[in-house]
Amino acid sequence: KAGVTQTPRYLIKTRGQQVTLSCSPISGHRSVSWYQQTPGQGLQFLFEYFSETQRNKGNFPGRFSGRQFSNSRSEMNVSTLELGDSALYLCASSLGDRDSQPQHFGDGTRLSIL
Amino acid sequence: AQSVTQLDSQVPVFEEAPVELRCNYSSSVSVYLFWYVQYPNQGLQLLLKYLSGSTLVKGINGFEAEFNKSQTSFHLRKPSVHISDTAEYFCAVLSGTSYGKLTFGQGTILTVHP
Repeated sequence: KAGVTQTPRYLIKTRGQQVTLSCSPISGHRSVSWYQQTPGQGLQFLFEYFSETQRNKGNFPGRFSGRQFSNSRSEMNVSTLELGDSALYLCASSLGDRDSQPQHFGDGTRLSIL
Repeated sequence: AQSVTQLDSQVPVFEEAPVELRCNYSSSVSVYLFWYVQYPNQGLQLLLKYLSGSTLVKGINGFEAEFNKSQTSFHLRKPSVHISDTAEYFCAVLSGTSYGKLTFGQGTILTVHP
């Protein structure tokens, strides 16, 4: 079974631009969560989608948004990029119908802002 | 609100020695507990999980962890480490109403020396 796939693996953008990251979950998984990982703040939860609905959201500004499609694939968008948005963005999927089901992570997209 | 504290930011150890990575959590509700490992330039890989039942859980690669409710701890152990265990380890907690929001500790870098 294929794992969680995130594209692209690396991105370089400049301040003020916007970016879209993509995540394809494990087949059959309906929940997708997004996390930001930085050396200073560690791993922080961005949001979670289940069956195309956002069920939970972390403490990030409105510049960070996401969506989920009917095939469970998810995208995350960051607008008006700032230097502080440089991070590894991780996507995780799970079956989603119970919180006890573990999340499986992709290898992430490393976003660098110049 | 939940929080996770990993008591050691770095743990150096010699090959074939035992190791314990410490994790304490705080939560006002019942939780599910996880340990993940991250190798350089990769995402997070699930090592083991505690959902309910036996407080001693076994995971992949010879790791095990013990859930102690009274001390709110979930320490990770391995009786004999290998060079290949060098990585960063994250303890994470999820409550029954988290809807996909894992709360992570700051991570412990395990370095195994020959």
